[in-house]
Amino acid sequence: DSGVTQTPKHLITATGQRVTLRCSPRSGDLSVYWYQQSLDQGLQFLIQYYNGEERAKGNILERFSAQQFPDLHSELNLSSLELGDSALYFCASSVGGGLGNNEQFFGPGTRLTVL
Amino acid sequence: AQKITQTQPGMFVQEKEAVTLDCTYDTSDPSYGLFWYKQPSSGEMIFLIYQGSYDQQNATEGRYSLNFQKARKSANLVISASQLGDSAMYFCAMRTKTSYDKVIFGPGTSLSVIP
Repeated sequence: DSGVTQTPKHLITATGQRVTLRCSPRSGDLSVYWYQQSLDQGLQFLIQYYNGEERAKGNILERFSAQQFPDLHSELNLSSLELGDSALYFCASSVGGGLGNNEQFFGPGTRLTVL
Repeated sequence: AQKITQTQPGMFVQEKEAVTLDCTYDTSDPSYGLFWYKQPSSGEMIFLIYQGSYDQQNATEGRYSLNFQKARKSANLVISASQLGDSAMYFCAMRTKTSYDKVIFGPGTSLSVIP
């Protein structure tokens, strides 16, 4: 158990819908990262927040948005869902954002299926 | 461009034998960190080992060691005395100083340990 929690574990929805994925980082971690893992794209970094502020942006679509709240939990919002958005979405957390061995601890993931 | 290459999509190893999983990387940044993660069939991502670009010695963590050859830009993972529980996907990843909050993942290698 990494200490990072993600809810829900599974999510099944229809095209065009909007969903919210939730992540609670490990106690004391200030950084939260979101990743998408799909069969065709592999693991893709989406976005990172550090202590409530957006810190880095990766391959995140405009239909997706995220935020980190004062209690440091984070939510990833996916809207106008398409079939291709079906994937495993990981949240990870780390203490800081430096280059050193700033290990990221991953949550168990949310499996999103868009029908 | 920053890139991680893992040329072995699948590997087999006999139980108790050692196995090397290949990883090559491409970056022009002199400061970077290299990570290996394990993803069992259950889906969670487990951090295994870290190597910094300025580390003088190869990293080791229990049965895991990293064969870091900086000039060749390779960071191969060596697993000694393979166990059945080592069967999983293994991802090599990199973070550079210019993008220290992003992690770039390779496509992964699927390792199967045979009894």
